[in-house]
Amino acid sequence: NAGVTQTPKFQVLKTGQSMTLQCAQDMNHNSMYWYRQDPGMGLRLIYYSASEGTTDKGEVPNGYNVSRLNKREFSLRLESAAPSQTSVYFCASRGSGGLRNTGELFFGEGSRLTVL
Amino acid sequence: GQQVMQIPQYQHVQEGEDFTTYCNSSTTLSNIQWYKQRPGGHPVFLIQLVKSGEVKKQKRLTFQFGEAKKNSSLHITATQTTDVGTYFCAGRDGSGNTGKLIFGQGTTLQVKP
Repeated sequence: NAGVTQTPKFQVLKTGQSMTLQCAQDMNHNSMYWYRQDPGMGLRLIYYSASEGTTDKGEVPNGYNVSRLNKREFSLRLESAAPSQTSVYFCASRGSGGLRNTGELFFGEGSRLTVL
Repeated sequence: GQQVMQIPQYQHVQEGEDFTTYCNSSTTLSNIQWYKQRPGGHPVFLIQLVKSGEVKKQKRLTFQFGEAKKNSSLHITATQTTDVGTYFCAGRDGSGNTGKLIFGQGTTLQVKP
């Protein structure tokens, strides 16, 4: 049971390049999220997907696109990377939040992205 | 939109001293969660508070949810070096577990042995 798996763990891009961060969870969770973490800014929500087939914008969606490929996978794409997108990106998933489920987020180990 | 503010941003304590971090929301929350992130690691869930005025304890950690469900605190008694890390609160608006979870900026705790 791997939980939430993110790839790649590290990536260096040049301004204007594109890339996709991959995320997969094996906990049969409905909801998946992408956050970015910057010093002093906490975790800011980029996009989320409440269920397979749906995606919604979070606090800081500009410059990003997402795809909920299936229930397991939720990818984040940077079409034209900018230095302001240098950050640590975390994918997370959440269960249904029923009586026995607090609705806690399970995070991946993070992807450290540097844009030069 | 909903904002969650957390103070202080940093706290340095001597081992054995107590530590408290505070979380305030601009809106009434349906529940609040707390996470801990060790240096270089990822956030890990600690606890969720749901009821107005709720207090929960986990060993040396005490979590409180305000009566108005707009603020919360985490208190650590007699800190240890293993407590080092960043503590985040995350508030959920909307009903039950359906609303978005918005994180505070986090409080980074350093413990001097």
